[in-house]
Amino acid sequence: QQQVKQSPQSLIVQKGGISIINCAYENTAFDYFPWYQQFPGKGPALLIAIRPDVSEKKEGRFTISFNKSAKQFSLHIMDSQPGDSATYFCAASRRGSQGNLIFGKGTKLSVKP
Amino acid sequence: ETGVTQSPTHLIKTRGQQVTLRCSSQSGHNTVSWYQQALGQGPQFIFQYYREEENGRGNFPPRFSGLQFPNYSSELNVNALELDDSALYLCASSLFSGGVGIFGPGTRLTVL
Repeated sequence: QQQVKQSPQSLIVQKGGISIINCAYENTAFDYFPWYQQFPGKGPALLIAIRPDVSEKKEGRFTISFNKSAKQFSLHIMDSQPGDSATYFCAASRRGSQGNLIFGKGTKLSVKP
Repeated sequence: ETGVTQSPTHLIKTRGQQVTLRCSSQSGHNTVSWYQQALGQGPQFIFQYYREEENGRGNFPPRFSGLQFPNYSSELNVNALELDDSALYLCASSLFSGGVGIFGPGTRLTVL
């Protein structure tokens, strides 16, 4: 059972465009939703995270939108740059269990110059 | 902060062998979680260690075991290696009371 579903699998965006990656979850006990960026040969690095008590969180060019009733959340990358080309993972965990992250399958983002 | 470090970087083993992977947690962190990331997939939770004891386990068989030491560093041991164990093994350290998990660079294990 896949508890966190991520789409699309791959995404190509022009430089300066907006990249949007979507995730849906099933377990209503989840209360922590981070996004990770991973470059080839590297471990995942935390980009931004949100809790369900807010609907949106913005950090620089990265924004998480959260819809609790629909059990969906998304990552928006504004003004996408070639350096943003990486694989992005959404994840979720339950309260008191943040070390046990359930990851989506990832989205490979390519930003064309 | 030194971040999370893992050793070795790469490892090649044959089926049936045993392997030990090591992780040093970020300074100040007391919890270590281990993940397996198969090629093209998201990381999958193996288990977490806190206060030198296993504190939560994912859907992995008992031949995956671990240790945590008083300095919070950790080992992942895998016995009777199978071809499907080939993957990137990641550890992440955090505070048990909450907070962000910081991932190490991983160990790439190849089982032939």
